[in-house]
Amino acid sequence: GIQVEQSPPDLILQEGANSTLRCNFSDSVNNLQWFHQNPWGQLINLFYIPSGTKQNGRLSATTVATERYSLLYISSSQTTDSGVYFCAVERHKLSFGAGTTVTVRA
Amino acid sequence: DGGITQSPKYLFRKEGQNVTLSCEQNLNHDAMYWYRQDPGQGLRLIYYSQIVNDFQKGDIAEGYSVSREKKESFPLTVTSAQKNPTAFYLCASSIGTSSAGIFGQGTRLTVV
Repeated sequence: GIQVEQSPPDLILQEGANSTLRCNFSDSVNNLQWFHQNPWGQLINLFYIPSGTKQNGRLSATTVATERYSLLYISSSQTTDSGVYFCAVERHKLSFGAGTTVTVRA
Repeated sequence: DGGITQSPKYLFRKEGQNVTLSCEQNLNHDAMYWYRQDPGQGLRLIYYSQIVNDFQKGDIAEGYSVSREKKESFPLTVTSAQKNPTAFYLCASSIGTSSAGIFGQGTRLTVV
């Protein structure tokens, strides 16, 4: 199956800082999504981004499908951004990376 | 409001028991999925269904069973054959297999 690697595994930020999360995948995919899992376990879809760049408020994402990676940018981080960020790719089924745990300190 | 409802939120199972986790969606999505999440790990696919009365095994289907008798419902049974069932279970749905997934709030299963 497709391998999905996320980096870094853990990230500690001071409120207001910017950061970049990376997702590498091992084969061509039909679909790529970024999710945020809050401390209560709820997974929220942030971006559906098989290619190109999208922005939603302080978050943006870029997928370069030909080079098999995607980046999630968090700007002006807030404590509410804390949680685990997952990248998931789909060829025949959705496969998840292990996630990046983000902690934003006030 | 449309969405996915999982119940119960917390579930305790005795050794040797079968338990069923409920997943209902009113989004009119064709595809539904069950995932398992262990602490500090990503999600692993248990089963998925792209259409009523049809489903496929995911990566870790052993010890689990599902049914898809109605479009809006995709219950998961954790059988006694699943030796390590304690985990967080998430249900999801999507319009098709290549579209954004919407997740329920999860069921936390604990063996006592």
